Amino acid sequence: AQSVTQPDIHITVSEGASLELRCNYSYGATPYLFWYVQSPGQGLQLLLKYFSGDTLVQGIKGFEAEFKRSQSSFNLRKPSVHWSDAAEYFCAVGAMDSNYQLIWGAGTKLIIKP
Amino acid sequence: DTEVTQTPKHLVMGMTNKKSLKCEQHMGHRAMYWYKQKAKKPPELMFVYSYEKLSINESVPSRFSPECPNSSLLNLHLHALQPEDSALYLCASSREGPRDTQYFGPGTRLTVL
Repeated sequence: AQSVTQPDIHITVSEGASLELRCNYSYGATPYLFWYVQSPGQGLQLLLKYFSGDTLVQGIKGFEAEFKRSQSSFNLRKPSVHWSDAAEYFCAVGAMDSNYQLIWGAGTKLIIKP
Repeated sequence: DTEVTQTPKHLVMGMTNKKSLKCEQHMGHRAMYWYKQKAKKPPELMFVYSYEKLSINESVPSRFSPECPNSSLLNLHLHALQPEDSALYLCASSREGPRDTQYFGPGTRLTVL
């Protein structure tokens, strides 16, 4: 069965520091990969997605993610975080086996220290 | 424009009430979704409509009744809900189906008393 793992329930980062949020998936072929962000009480906003091609994907708000097939990972990065980046981040996978319904990670809560 | 709108933003209802949630998109998308999200959890898929026909029902209790009157509009009718149904209800849409990127609305915060 497919699964998505976000190993860090929460991460605390100082404002201006770099960020990496981890996402690992379990699936035989290359799935569709997404990162969404959710501010408290809000809906989900798409940060970026990977379907095929260049494994380094640029997204909105200065985020990027790198697909590494050998590690089954799709980690999210940002070189310098801002206080407004504090939110919940969800990694999601869509795959043919599940009719491309999104399988979600548990989420990582990002806390920004001033 | 990638906007999905949802009304109302907040809803408080008793267990005997009947209410409806509304979702609208004007992106020309032909697939629309309802999700339920409990606090500190990822969204759980409830229903998928594709070309205005219900294509997926994830074993959702009959007290939740979806409706897709046209390709831009999706409703969720609520009746005889339980307090455990209190959650954030999210609507999403995508171009043709689950293979396409889903765009989410801001959600309706539902409280059942």
